[in-house]
Amino acid sequence: KQEVTQIPAALSVPEGENLVLNCSFTDSAIYNLQWFRQDPGKGLTSLLLIQSSQREQTSGRLNASLDKSSGRSTLYIAASQPGDSATYLCAVNAGKSTFGDGTTLTVKP
Amino acid sequence: DTAVSQTPKYLVTQMGNDKSIKCEQNLGHDTMYWYKQDSKKFLKIMFSYNNKELIINETVPNRFSPKSPDKAHLNLHINSLELGDSAVYFCASGPTDFYEQYFGPGTRLTVT
Repeated sequence: KQEVTQIPAALSVPEGENLVLNCSFTDSAIYNLQWFRQDPGKGLTSLLLIQSSQREQTSGRLNASLDKSSGRSTLYIAASQPGDSATYLCAVNAGKSTFGDGTTLTVKP
Repeated sequence: DTAVSQTPKYLVTQMGNDKSIKCEQNLGHDTMYWYKQDSKKFLKIMFSYNNKELIINETVPNRFSPKSPDKAHLNLHINSLELGDSAVYFCASGPTDFYEQYFGPGTRLTVT
């Protein structure tokens, strides 16, 4: 059974800092991994999708990496802004999607 | 243009009632999903449909029955609602099974 863990559960940083969110999974036989953000009371917005054959994906200030053999992915956010405050979820897809519990990020002005 | 839409956004009902939540996607995707997000924000897959056929049916009570009239719609019908059914239900779609997924805004169900 796939288990997905996200560390830390919550993170508070001052504006402008670079930060890393972590996602680990127990079964490395995956198709892909997807990072989402969820704003309070809202749905999930897809940020990045990394295929199992890829090592990283970039979109603007976001960079996601994948090390399938060690069961880890990281989401790097550069020059954080208050608008980045949200809960970030990773989903591991291997026949079905398994989500982590999320990291709640607060970026203080 | 809304990609994945759900109605209603909020649903408050009493125990024992039957209710439905509708989902529509205009992305031309073949696969649609229903997820449940509980009070602890944990998100879990309930059902997956590919081209109107059920692919995954996780361990959910049979009071929950998905219906897909066509590949753009996946509705969720819930019979005999219980307090524990209170949660946010998300519909999602994707081009194929568990590839990139696009989520709807969610339906907050409160059972009193």
